[in-house]
Amino acid sequence: QKEVEQDPGPLSVPEGAIVSLNCTYSNSAFQYFMWYRQYSRKGPELLMYTYSSGNKEDGRFTAQVDKSSKYISLFIRDSQPSDSATYLCAMRNNYGQNFVFGPGTRLSVLP
Amino acid sequence: DGGITQSPKYLFRKEGQNVTLSCEQNLNHDAMYWYRQDPGQGLRLIYYSQIVNDFQKGDIAEGYSVSREKKESFPLTVTSAQKNPTAFYLCASSIRPGLAGYNEQFFGPGTRLTVL
Repeated sequence: QKEVEQDPGPLSVPEGAIVSLNCTYSNSAFQYFMWYRQYSRKGPELLMYTYSSGNKEDGRFTAQVDKSSKYISLFIRDSQPSDSATYLCAMRNNYGQNFVFGPGTRLSVLP
Repeated sequence: DGGITQSPKYLFRKEGQNVTLSCEQNLNHDAMYWYRQDPGQGLRLIYYSQIVNDFQKGDIAEGYSVSREKKESFPLTVTSAQKNPTAFYLCASSIRPGLAGYNEQFFGPGTRLTVL
C-alpha cells in the first residue's frame, strides 16, 4: 500500500461545477497537509495548507482534513477553465524532513 | 524577484552521457531538494540537502549525484548509470528542515530530460 493515495483522474467537469479532490494516507503521524497545483510542463505551486484536522478556506478553495479517517479533501467552487491542472496533495509529520506527495489528480474544467 | 530557477528547460542526452541540471534559489532557504516526476507516479525524492556541504539520498538516488557547495545552488548530475533517465526533474527549496511548522516547499519550473 502506498503511503499516500490519490485518484489520478482525469476528472472532467463543466465550468461552474463544484470539484472535490481527495487523498487518503496511511501514516497517522502526518500533521501538515498541503495542496499544490501544477499546470502542464510547469513546477507545482502551493495552493493551500492546513495543520491537523479542520477546514481552511481561501476564496473559491476549501481544504479539509479528517485525521480520524486519514482523508484530506480540496473543494473548488465555481470552477473555471483556468483551474484545469494536476492537483497534488502533500503531507509530513511534525518534525519530518520531507514531504510525501500523492501522484496527483488531473482536472479538466470544460467551458 | 525571489524564486527558484532551473536550467535548461529541455535537455537531450545520448546514451552513456552524464548531464548536469542546474538549480539556483535566491530565497535564502537552507534546504534544497531534487524530485523526479513520471506520469502517474507523482514526485519521487532523489536527493536533498539541509545545509551547505551536506546532502542525503532520497528514495531513488541510484544513478544520480549532487553537490551543495553554495547555499544558493544544488546541481544534479544524471549519470550513465541511471537506466531510465527520461523524466521531468523538479528542484525545490524550503526555509529550514526538521522544524515544526508548515515549512512548505517551493518549486522551480522544472527540466525535461529526454534520452535519445
